[in-house]
Amino acid sequence: LAKTTQPISMDSYEGQEVNITCSHNNIATNDYITWYQQFPSQGPRFIIQGYKTKVTNEVASLFIPADRKSSTLSLPRVSLSDTAVYYCLVGLTNDYKLSFGAGTTVTVRA
Amino acid sequence: GAVVSQHPSRVICKSGTSVKIECRSLDFQATTMFWYRQFPKKSLMLMATSNEGSKATYEQGVEKDKFLINHASLTLSTLTVTSAHPEDSSFYICSAALGQVIPDTQYFGPGTRLTVL
Repeated sequence: LAKTTQPISMDSYEGQEVNITCSHNNIATNDYITWYQQFPSQGPRFIIQGYKTKVTNEVASLFIPADRKSSTLSLPRVSLSDTAVYYCLVGLTNDYKLSFGAGTTVTVRA
Repeated sequence: GAVVSQHPSRVICKSGTSVKIECRSLDFQATTMFWYRQFPKKSLMLMATSNEGSKATYEQGVEKDKFLINHASLTLSTLTVTSAHPEDSSFYICSAALGQVIPDTQYFGPGTRLTVL
């Protein structure tokens, strides 16, 4: 399983854009990159998934450079309800297991 | 779409009793289901992988006789914590995946809070 490294925590204010970068230097050719959001005492919620370049949905954008050794989750105009732990994971093809790292605790302040 | 439910959402039991947690994929058939546990302020730890119709595969350090997993159908997997002790108190989360697709995204249930007295 590819190991991921993310910042432990990030602080932001309402209305700002939050960018969380995840390093995954040993990502395999067939691995996808997936981001989840988790609130306290809830299961992780799927945010976005991608393989290369840029993916955008109604919640976030995912930027993946050509070498795929890192990825950046972009949350536009965050609100207080975006305060959560965000996990970056790689895999989902050769090995369906997911290995959760520590995640990034994002705190949004008014 | 891709909704996964868990029941119960929380359970309190006495030490020595067994507790069963159900995980259901509500709008898709899940070839593979996963069970995780999470301690306070910690990340999720994979316990086992459950494939429909076959025995579960347990991660290293997870006692298979302690945590019994049954995946009897494509929409239901159960985790039974046998002879529960206070150290088994934790947040248990399941996830379900379609299987045989790429990427095989996992969708998570809301979790079950187990407290063993």
